Amino acid sequence: DTEVTQTPKHLVMGMTNKKSLKCEQHMGHRAMYWYKQKAKKPPELMFVYSYEKLSINESVPSRFSPECPNSSLLNLHLHALQPEDSALYLCASSQDPGGRETQYFGPGTRLLVL
Amino acid sequence: DAKTTQPNSMESNEEEPVHLPCNHSTISGTDYIHWYRQLPSQGPEYVIHGLTSNVNNRMASLAIAEDRKSSTLILHRATLRDAAVYYCILRPTGTASKLTFGTGTRLQVTL
Repeated sequence: DTEVTQTPKHLVMGMTNKKSLKCEQHMGHRAMYWYKQKAKKPPELMFVYSYEKLSINESVPSRFSPECPNSSLLNLHLHALQPEDSALYLCASSQDPGGRETQYFGPGTRLLVL
Repeated sequence: DAKTTQPNSMESNEEEPVHLPCNHSTISGTDYIHWYRQLPSQGPEYVIHGLTSNVNNRMASLAIAEDRKSSTLILHRATLRDAAVYYCILRPTGTASKLTFGTGTRLQVTL
């Protein structure tokens, strides 16, 4: 099974709401990633978790809070977002964080902030 | 991170071969060349990767120039399902290495 699942598929939230995005993989991968993709732009890396520890934060605003409760799960907690945060949020995983490893992507959560 | 340059868009006829070029003149000796593609309304998917030698898999072939400053992704027989944005990415080897996407090439396949 080479599947990364993400829930929900779509999310609409107000600027005062708190919501969470969820990502799950059962491939035994030890690296997990969050990317943000604006319309007609390439994905941009937000966070990397390596062996359940945050290893890269690409200067993401604190209104985005990642969490890795275990090796199969990755969450992205959202609070006080802005309309410009509307985007497709992609989760990915890889066997380990090394440079040769394939990343497997989920289908994404399409977020709209009103 | 070393940068890649790709044409914004390319067109191909169905069942014809497609050669997607990528320039990476500042590549370092430890950078792997990865190709991913993103079909409409989907997350990116891995296509192929290589370091120095040409590589083949069931999806495509990767031809790497001898000086490694450029590479070409080859789809041997394009189908309508190959219409996607193709990204050429350099990945340095190392702990928690990043996948930095460039702007990619949008491939259109027509009947």
